[in-house]
Amino acid sequence: EAGVTQSPTHLIKTRGQQATLRCSPISGHTSVYWYQQALGLGLQFLLWYDEGEERNRGNFPPRFSGRQFPNYSSELNVNALELEDSALYLCASSLGLAGSSEQFFGPGTRLTVL
Amino acid sequence: AQKVTQAQTEISVVEKEDVTLDCVYETRDTTYYLFWYKQPPSGELVFLIRRNSFDEQNEISGRYSWNFQKSTSSFNFTITASQVVDSAVYFCALSEARDNFNKFYFGSGTKLNVKP
Repeated sequence: EAGVTQSPTHLIKTRGQQATLRCSPISGHTSVYWYQQALGLGLQFLLWYDEGEERNRGNFPPRFSGRQFPNYSSELNVNALELEDSALYLCASSLGLAGSSEQFFGPGTRLTVL
Repeated sequence: AQKVTQAQTEISVVEKEDVTLDCVYETRDTTYYLFWYKQPPSGELVFLIRRNSFDEQNEISGRYSWNFQKSTSSFNFTITASQVVDSAVYFCALSEARDNFNKFYFGSGTKLNVKP
């Protein structure tokens, strides 16, 4: 069974540009979560999508947005990139109620903003 | 305030030593879940354990054991007879009923170096 996949592996952008990150959940999982892992800051919760809807978001500005498609894959968009957006972005999927089942993580996309 | 605190930023041990990773959490909910994840150098987080707030029994899985104490709001993780392959960053996480358990709060992680 394929795990959570993310693309691209690495992404290099300059300040002010937009970045699009993609995530495909494990087959059968309807929930997708996005996290930002900046150096030394651990994982910060970004967004949660379930059944195509944004269900919850962390303390991030509106320029962090995304969507979930009918096949449950998801995109994370970061507009007006800033240097401090450089981080590893992790996507996770779960069957639904994450607290009652674990989240399965992808390998991440490393975003570098120059 | 940090909901999950992992005070140990980095720990180095020699193979076969036992090591305990500390995790202290903060919540007002009576129902919550606690997790431990391992992040090897490859970057992909690996789920280790989930514990709900009503189950304070300690758990042992091979060389891994977890000590959950609600009285001190701690959920510590012990690796017995550590091995080089245990070298990774370990994260403790919390999810709360108020968020329907769908918002995870992660600690900042503890980097474990196991030297041969």
